[in-house]
Amino acid sequence: EPEVTQTPSHQVTQMGQEVILRCVPISNHLYFYWYRQILGQKVEFLVSFYNNEISEKSEIFDDQFSVERPDGSNFTLKIRSTKLEDSAMYFCASRPTGIYNEQFFGPGTRLTVL
Amino acid sequence: ILNVEQSPQSLHVQEGDSTNFTCSFPSSNFYALHWYRWETAKSPEALFVMTLNGDEKKKGRISATLNTKEGYSYLYIKGSQPEDSATYLCAFFDSGNTGKLIFGQGTTLQVKP
Repeated sequence: EPEVTQTPSHQVTQMGQEVILRCVPISNHLYFYWYRQILGQKVEFLVSFYNNEISEKSEIFDDQFSVERPDGSNFTLKIRSTKLEDSAMYFCASRPTGIYNEQFFGPGTRLTVL
Repeated sequence: ILNVEQSPQSLHVQEGDSTNFTCSFPSSNFYALHWYRWETAKSPEALFVMTLNGDEKKKGRISATLNTKEGYSYLYIKGSQPEDSATYLCAFFDSGNTGKLIFGQGTTLQVKP
């Protein structure tokens, strides 16, 4: 069964460093998302991506964040200069067209900023 | 700001008990409500996508109901088993451009053998 994959599963970085979180969505899906969950808080939306561009972003998604779909299969989230408060579980999700379809989630990348 | 709330936050039951959780969400501009099951170190797995008022969906021992007029959904687990131990998330489908999901805080279920 097709699944969304994410790498790495755990990333530890120093404050101020750049990180790239990688996702491979399901191949025929058209909508792509990043969410995150800070420990003890709700899963929160970061950004959505459709037709090779950002279609919506949250207030959290400031200039330090960027997303890319460089080669038609990978979907990446880059954090340019990490802060302590960026420590969270980051989830990638994708869905096919049709608003009543479920979003398929990857297993997440746990980012720890020291 | 759209807000989705779940209760209880956590639940401990004995194997064989039946249990239920609540998700409350905005009753205006409703399109869909998603239920997910999330086990530690695994991907959140979709259980149901609820769309119509009065909907009732079932998957094995798990079922869900939906009341869009009053803005709540219930998830029921009949005869809980240890393998049902997980966090259950509900998510409101935001009918904006991209259909992002607005999540509740989840209910963590622990089933003791």
